[in-house]
Amino acid sequence: KAGVTQTPRYLIKTRGQQVTLSCSPISGHRSVSWYQQTPGQGLQFLFEYFSETQRNKGNFPGRFSGRQFSNSRSEMNVSTLELGDSALYLCASSPRTDSYEQYFGPGTRLTVT
Amino acid sequence: GNSVTQMEGPVTLSEEAFLTINCTYTATGYPSLFWYVQYPGEGLQLLLKATKADDKGSNKGFEATYRKETTSFHLEKGSVQVSDSAVYFCALSEGGGSTLGRLYFGRGTQLTVWP
Repeated sequence: KAGVTQTPRYLIKTRGQQVTLSCSPISGHRSVSWYQQTPGQGLQFLFEYFSETQRNKGNFPGRFSGRQFSNSRSEMNVSTLELGDSALYLCASSPRTDSYEQYFGPGTRLTVT
Repeated sequence: GNSVTQMEGPVTLSEEAFLTINCTYTATGYPSLFWYVQYPGEGLQLLLKATKADDKGSNKGFEATYRKETTSFHLEKGSVQVSDSAVYFCALSEGGGSTLGRLYFGRGTQLTVWP
């Protein structure tokens, strides 16, 4: 099976712009979660989608949003970018088995200037 | 609440040395426990997992045992290789209720192995 794919891999934006990141889960996985990774804060949970519904949300401002499509692909959007949004954004998919392990994509490296 | 604490790095070892990375957790229920590894410029790879007390997860020579009495899940390897150099993350998932679909991670431990 192909792994989790994320596009684009690298992105440079300026403050105030918005950005959309895309994630394609492993075939058959219906749960997609998003995380932000920074050197200072580590790995922080953004949100999780299952069957096109947001099931859980982390402690991020409303500028961070997401959605999931009927084929389980997911997008996350960040509006009005700030310098502090520079980070590696990781998407993970899960088969929702009893252990709820997640499988991660390579990430999108976002740099805000 | 849920949280994971793992030993601060960096950890520097010579090839063939024994590795231990400590991880302890706090959880409100009965979590599943994981170790993930991140190589430079890549995402996280699931290294091993354990879903209940006394389970031992193992993969690629790495092992960790789910100890409910000490709320610990320490990662061990008997003989490290240069290729094991990476950042290691301990994580837990409760898989239900308000924590659905969320992994709680430790801060990560940087391991460097010298030849």
